[in-house]
Amino acid sequence: NAGVTQTPKFQVLKTGQSMTLQCAQDMNHEYMSWYRQDPGMGLRLIHYSVGAGITDQGEVPNGYNVSRSTTEDFPLRLLSAAPSQTSVYFCASSYRGGTGEQYFGPGTRLTVT
Amino acid sequence: QQQVKQSPQSLIVQKGGISIINCAYENTAFDYFPWYQQFPGKGPALLIAIRPDVSEKKEGRFTISFNKSAKQFSLHIMDSQPGDSATYFCAASLPGDYKLSFGAGTTVTVRA
Repeated sequence: NAGVTQTPKFQVLKTGQSMTLQCAQDMNHEYMSWYRQDPGMGLRLIHYSVGAGITDQGEVPNGYNVSRSTTEDFPLRLLSAAPSQTSVYFCASSYRGGTGEQYFGPGTRLTVT
Repeated sequence: QQQVKQSPQSLIVQKGGISIINCAYENTAFDYFPWYQQFPGKGPALLIAIRPDVSEKKEGRFTISFNKSAKQFSLHIMDSQPGDSATYFCAASLPGDYKLSFGAGTTVTVRA
């Protein structure tokens, strides 16, 4: 099992550009989520999904879109990048009905200039 | 507004010493309290977790102490080792909910 994979590992964008951060998991987990990590702020939930076709907003959803067409994939789209979106982004997945443990990907470090 | 407050922001401990990280929460409906460990350049990974029906849980050198009346829980790292140098996050979630509310994180440095 590869677990949770994320691409790219690093990305630099100019203000106003759009891009998609990819996330995939091969554990057949129903629950997937996106967090951003900023110094002194911990991890904050952006969007989450409890299954294919179902998504919902987390704590900091503005400026981001998600979709979940398959169980395996949960891409995060930045519509018009802003310097405030400079952060490290983590995707996580979890098995519904399990212990609650979330499995995190290795992260994408995004810089918006 | 963070639902889980974590302290200290950072700490330095000598090899063999005890590291203590504290977390406090307001929502008494939380029923799952995990700790995640994150090494530089990596994603967080579950270290240990507790539910409020017990006051303490120990796994190796790591212990969670839980005080339901004070709405606080803490992580103790006994006999700290240089390999324990990492950032530690406490978190909490509601019953049946997979969303986690994280603390701000504590960077632990263990000096050899």
